[in-house]
Parts: sequence; structure tokens; C-alpha cells
Amino acid sequence: NAGVTQTPKFRILKIGQSMTLQCTQDMNHNYMYWYRQDPGMGLKLIYYSVGAGITDKGEVPNGYNVSRSTTEDFPLRLELAAPSQTSVYFCASSYSSETQYFGPGTRLLVL
Amino acid sequence: GQQVMQIPQYQHVQEGEDFTTYCNSSTTLSNIQWYKQRPGGHPVFLIQLVKSGEVKKQKRLTFQFGEAKKNSSLHITATQTTDVGTYFCAAYQGAQKLVFGQGTRLTINP
Repeated sequence: NAGVTQTPKFRILKIGQSMTLQCTQDMNHNYMYWYRQDPGMGLKLIYYSVGAGITDKGEVPNGYNVSRSTTEDFPLRLELAAPSQTSVYFCASSYSSETQYFGPGTRLLVL
Repeated sequence: GQQVMQIPQYQHVQEGEDFTTYCNSSTTLSNIQWYKQRPGGHPVFLIQLVKSGEVKKQKRLTFQFGEAKKNSSLHITATQTTDVGTYFCAAYQGAQKLVFGQGTRLTINP
């Protein structure tokens, strides 16, 4: 069981570029989440999904898009990257409203 | 929406001293979870409290849920260097959204 995996681990983007952060879980969890964590701060929910084909906005969705075509994968798309999107991005999954299991994170720097 | 406020933001202790972090909400919580994040790492689930007045222990860690289910605390007895990290409380807003407190960053002088 790999748990929750995220790629890449680190990325530098130029302003205006786009990229996709990958997240995969092998625990057959229905619920998946994307958070961002700014330095010294807590986690803010970007988007979440309660199952394949179902996604919904969290607290800070602007500038991001998601899709959930399979139970395992929940990619996060950044369009037109901005310096304000410099952050650490965590993907998480859970079985219903219980313990969330986090991936190792993707560190993104937008210059 | 629902918010959980966590204090203090930072705490520095000598190894062997105790440590406590507090989490407060203006609304009644259905449950509360605690996570630990080591420096450079990802949040790791510690425990979930559900019942009013609930107290749970994990070795040197004691977790409490207030009688009114509006506050919670995490107490660490005799801290060790392995306790270094940021401790977050979190509560579900509705059935799907987990709202995190700002976290308490614990540093320890060995």
C-alpha cells in the first residue's frame, strides 16, 4: 500500500505558465481533497471530491481546476500561474468523514 | 463558515517540560481531529474525539474535548525532541469539508 502519492515533489513555474499536480491513492477511498499550505500557516481547502465524477469548491478555488475520472486519481490544474500560488500543495484522501491521509506534498514556486 | 481558532501560534519549551495547545470554536462541533506535521513533512492523523467531555490518551499525549463540544486541547507531558512539529486541530464543516486551525508550532530546546 503506497497510500497517497503526489508528483512532482517540487516545481518552479514562470508567471502565466500552467501545470497539473498529480495525486493518486490506492486505498479505495471515495473522498479526496486538495489543500494549500502557505509558510507558517494552516491548510486551506482548494477543492474536494466525494467520488468519481463529483467535485466541489473549497475555501480557495480561484485559479485552480480539478477533475475526478477515477476513484484513484484527483489531479489539480493550475492555469496562468501567479506568484500568489507559491505554496505547498497537499492531496489527501479519506473513507467518508473520517481520518484524512495526506500525500507528501508538492512544493510550487511561481516566479 | 465554521472556524476553529488555535492558540498559541508558537511554543518553545525545554526538553522535559509540558506543552499544551488549545482549539476553540464559536459553534458546537460534531467531532474534532488532531494532526501532527513534522518540519518539512505532511500532516499525520493523531486522534478523533466525538463525545462531550471525552478524554483520550496516547502515551504522553492527552486529548480533551470540552463539555460543550466547542473546545479541545492537546497536552504533552515531559516533551521529547521527537515531539517537535506543528500540531493542528481540525473539525468537519458539514460532511465533507475539514477545517483546520492555524496550528501550534512546537520547538524544543534539548
